[in-house]
Amino acid sequence: SQQGEEDPQALSIQEGENATMNCSYKTSINNLQWYRQNSGRGLVHLILIRSNEREKHSGRLRVTLDTSKKSSSLLITASRAADTASYFCATDITGGGNKLTFGTGTQLKVEL
Amino acid sequence: GAVVSQHPSRVICKSGTSVKIECRSLDFQATTMFWYRQFPKQSLMLMATSNEGSKATYEQGVEKDKFLINHASLTLSTLTVTSAHPEDSSFYICSARDWLAGSYEQYFGPGTRLTVT
Repeated sequence: SQQGEEDPQALSIQEGENATMNCSYKTSINNLQWYRQNSGRGLVHLILIRSNEREKHSGRLRVTLDTSKKSSSLLITASRAADTASYFCATDITGGGNKLTFGTGTQLKVEL
Repeated sequence: GAVVSQHPSRVICKSGTSVKIECRSLDFQATTMFWYRQFPKQSLMLMATSNEGSKATYEQGVEKDKFLINHASLTLSTLTVTSAHPEDSSFYICSARDWLAGSYEQYFGPGTRLTVT
C-alpha cells in the first residue's frame, strides 16, 4: 500500500503566488524525497531531507519535515507557469532496502 | 548529473505477445535498479527491485512469471511483460541509484508507455 498521502490532490494558483503541498506517512523513515513529474514524463528529483533534518532549501523550494507528526511539506515560492506539474513525496522507509514508496501526488497548476 | 535511459519510449503490442523494456544507467554503475508502474493520474507503484547478478525481488501482488526482470550487467536491466493483456497497458518507469557516489537520490528514466490492443 502507498506510504504517503498528499494534500491537496490538486492546487491551482496564480503566477507569483506560493504553493504548499503536504505529505503524511505512516512508518519510520531514513529520508523523504520530493519529485516532480511533467505530464507523461519521467520524474525529476527535487530535494531530499534526512530524518534528522527539519528544514531544507533549494532555490525557490523549501521542504520541512516533522518526524513526530510523520509529515512533510513542500513550499514553492514565487511560482511560475513552468512549475505546473505533479509533485510526489517518496519515503525511504527504515529497513526497506532503500526502496521508495510514493505518495498520492499533488497536481499543481500555475496560471498566468 | 546521472542519466538513466529507457527504450522504447512508446510501444503498442497485440494481446498475447511479449514486450521487452530496457533501462540503462548511462554514466554510472547501478547494482540495483527499480521498476515502477504508473496508471493515468495515479502515483507510482513499485513492482520490483532488480539486483545485478541475482534474482529480482518482487512486491506483493506482482506476478514474477508475468513481469520478467533481468539485470545482466551493472548498467542494464530489462523488464519483459509476457503474454500482455490490455490491463497491462500502463506507464513503466525505472530508476537507479548511484551507490558508488553514496547518494540516496534515485535517478529516473523517462518512462515507457505500453499500450496493449
